[in-house]
Amino acid sequence: DTAVSQTPKYLVTQMGNDKSIKCEQNLGHDTMYWYKQDSKKFLKIMFSYNNKELIINETVPNRFSPKSPDKAHLNLHINSLELGDSAVYFCASSPRGATDTQYFGPGTRLTVL
Amino acid sequence: AQSVTQLGSHVSVSEGALVLLRCNYSSSVPPYLFWYVQYPNQGLQLLLKYTTGATLVKGINGFEAEFKKSETSFHLTKPSAHMSDAAEYFCAVSGSGGYQKVTFGTGTKLQVIP
Repeated sequence: DTAVSQTPKYLVTQMGNDKSIKCEQNLGHDTMYWYKQDSKKFLKIMFSYNNKELIINETVPNRFSPKSPDKAHLNLHINSLELGDSAVYFCASSPRGATDTQYFGPGTRLTVL
Repeated sequence: AQSVTQLGSHVSVSEGALVLLRCNYSSSVPPYLFWYVQYPNQGLQLLLKYTTGATLVKGINGFEAEFKKSETSFHLTKPSAHMSDAAEYFCAVSGSGGYQKVTFGTGTKLQVIP
């Protein structure tokens, strides 16, 4: 049983489109995250939710909107996609917060043409 | 504020040789320190972490790291490299208390030469 799952694994789309990435964790964790990893492997946090509440919102364009319908799910919706959004997006979860081990999903590779 | 510096974006070692990946951190509060590994086309997974207490931390796959407060370092070592150790390694720091975020280093790609 996969601990942190993401769909889709690959996403290829045109500039200007809107797309969503879904994330689910079955670990019973309270905290979930979205990270962006660029082509140089640099990993940057975008958002963090604790029990469905947004607690970290880094400097991310407001075209990116996270949604947490319950504490096991954290989805990422991206409007008006741009070339610079091409990256691998990772979802992660941890039991309570940033001092705990984070469990990462397999990633979603987004390519914007 | 917190930050992590990983020295060397690429490290090459021969199979059976010592692995040493360097990490220095900066934190205004007592840090929690992590090493994660990322294999090709996969997510990150924890190798080891330092919270409090013993400064020498042992992790999975024979890796260990030592927290040195005076040097603000948390270097990762393994006595003998194996081909399967080839991967990207990330050092990370988090502060204690409240809803702190984790800051990752820029990663070190380890190549193991047969």
